[in-house]
Amino acid sequence: EPEVTQTPSHQVTQMGQEVILRCVPISNHLYFYWYRQILGQKVEFLVSFYNNEISEKSEIFDDQFSVERPDGSNFTLKIRSTKLEDSAMYFCASSPVDRGLGYTFGSGTRLTVV
Amino acid sequence: QKEVEQNSGPLSVPEGAIASLNCTYSDRGSQSFFWYRQYSGKSPELIMFIYSNGDKEDGRFTAQLNKASQYVSLLIRDSQPSDSATYLCAQSGGGADGLTFGKGTHLIIQP
Repeated sequence: EPEVTQTPSHQVTQMGQEVILRCVPISNHLYFYWYRQILGQKVEFLVSFYNNEISEKSEIFDDQFSVERPDGSNFTLKIRSTKLEDSAMYFCASSPVDRGLGYTFGSGTRLTVV
Repeated sequence: QKEVEQNSGPLSVPEGAIASLNCTYSDRGSQSFFWYRQYSGKSPELIMFIYSNGDKEDGRFTAQLNKASQYVSLLIRDSQPSDSATYLCAQSGGGADGLTFGKGTHLIIQP
């Protein structure tokens, strides 16, 4: 069964550093997303990406964050100048043309900012 | 502001019984509704989606949608210990919308 692949599974970084989280969506999916889940809290939408540009972003997705699809297969989330409160699980997801069929999530990257 | 509300539980159900999970949403423009299962430390796993009023059945799972009452539910028949997890209700408004999730209901199936 096709899956969304995320690397690394766990990233530890020092406060103020930049991190890049990587994702390989399902190959025939057209919509890509990033979500985060702070420990013990709900899954929160960050950004959606379609046709090589951001389609929608939440209030959380401020200038500290950026996304890119550099080579037609990878989808990355860059977090600049990380803060302690950025510590969370970050999930990449993708969906086909008919988004009503559901969104497939990757296994996540646990980001720990120290 | 789109909101999805769920009782956080825990909801404890004996093995073999029916587990009933409920969810309400605030955005009348919501078009699609999803139930995800999430085991501790893992990513959400899609169980079912529904976008028409009424019931939708898939194996032991039945999703129910009532748009007039802005209410979605998930029934799990013949509950198994492996069904013990957090169940996330989510809605999408269409377009390039991401999903808005509830906080989830922690379900415990007692052997």
